[in-house]
Amino acid sequence: EIVLTQSPGTLSLSPGERATLSCGASQSLSSSYLAWYQHKPGQAPRLLIYDASSRATGIPDRFSGSGSGTDFTLTITRLEPEDFAVYYCQQYDTSPLTFGGGTKVEIK
Amino acid sequence: QVQLVQSGAEVKKPGASVKVSCQTSGYTFTRNYIHWVRQAPGQGLEWMGIINPTGGATNYAQKFQGRVTMTRDRSTSTVYMELSSLRSEDTAVYYCARDLRGGGFDPFDSWGQGTLVTVSS
Repeated sequence: EIVLTQSPGTLSLSPGERATLSCGASQSLSSSYLAWYQHKPGQAPRLLIYDASSRATGIPDRFSGSGSGTDFTLTITRLEPEDFAVYYCQQYDTSPLTFGGGTKVEIK
Repeated sequence: QVQLVQSGAEVKKPGASVKVSCQTSGYTFTRNYIHWVRQAPGQGLEWMGIINPTGGATNYAQKFQGRVTMTRDRSTSTVYMELSSLRSEDTAVYYCARDLRGGGFDPFDSWGQGTLVTVSS
């Protein structure tokens, strides 16, 4: 199965700062079949980015995704208070679908 | 709007089975696959499997093969996930989620609210 490794585990930042989250895949993803989700306690995950760089419906443009092959990045240009959450990457290239271990973005 | 509404929390004893429902609305039931994902306390997200609501075909993660059964009822636009031989490690929040483009292996654009299953003697 494809293992996704996210770094860092925790990112401590202030509102207004830029967040850069990484996701590495154990093998190359064809067609960049990688998504990013935001997950807050007590809520369902929310799709942010799919196909590595396409924003999902209703997602603000401060969220952007990039990368291909085995290295992917989620960037949040200016953190808003509501952006502090856990972020997961997911590959849907190969079964079993797998998620990374998550990056927690916390308020510094 | 698209909605996935799951059944309520369950408490089960080790060795028992649990069946969680996911009633969908706001779209054509047969156009999108449904996945099941779980999150154990303090852990990340784990994919369990997928069902095609049209014909009922399934694909389960190897970890759950033999213990999980996903079914659907087209008359009520509802999908079910049954997990048997429960053990304490199955304590988790279970989510159903719809795939974005109807292709099956696709990102998940709509999610149920989650169902907490607690396995305890």
